[in-house]
Amino acid sequence: DAGVTQSPTHLIKTRGQQVTLRCSPKSGHDTVSWYQQALGQGPQFIFQYYEEEERQRGNFPDRFSGHQFPNYSSELNVNALLLGDSALYLCASGRDGPYEQYFGPGTRLTVT
Amino acid sequence: GEDVEQSLFLSVREGDSSVINCTYTDSSSTYLYWYKQEPGAGLQLLTYIFSNMDMKQDQRLTVLLNKKDKHLSLRIADTQTGDSAIYFCAENGSSNTGKLIFGQGTTLQVKP
Repeated sequence: DAGVTQSPTHLIKTRGQQVTLRCSPKSGHDTVSWYQQALGQGPQFIFQYYEEEERQRGNFPDRFSGHQFPNYSSELNVNALLLGDSALYLCASGRDGPYEQYFGPGTRLTVT
Repeated sequence: GEDVEQSLFLSVREGDSSVINCTYTDSSSTYLYWYKQEPGAGLQLLTYIFSNMDMKQDQRLTVLLNKKDKHLSLRIADTQTGDSAIYFCAENGSSNTGKLIFGQGTTLQVKP
């Protein structure tokens, strides 16, 4: 079992650009959640996808959007990038419900 | 409200026990988690406890839950240098979907 995988590992973008991050969940999992972790902070919940729909959302602007595909993999899109969007973006997968969530290695996004 | 607090830093000697503490505010949390993050890596799920339990032991790890005081602790027995990392406490709050609320993390330094 490959566990949760994310791509790319690192990314450098310019302010105002758009970015797409990708996540493949652990085998047998059907939910995918995205988190933003700023340097020195704990992860902050962005949103969760289940059955190809956004089910729950944290306090993030509409510039953050996502998608879940029929094979349960997911994308996170961020438009009009700001310097403050520089962070480690983590994907977590799990089974539907309040069960353990397994995290991927993350994508380090740097906005210059 | 949803808030999780942890002390920022703990230093111990190799072979000693480490105790990392956490307080949370949402009494409706059904699951509480401990994650480990090594430099430049994602989050590794160490253990979790269901809210109707007081204690859970898993090899060198012991989790204690005081639901009345909303206090969670993680004890690591016989701490090794490989245990040096940031440890995050998390709760699922009133959500039954797997959304997690994290503390800011405790940096554990293990001195040889």
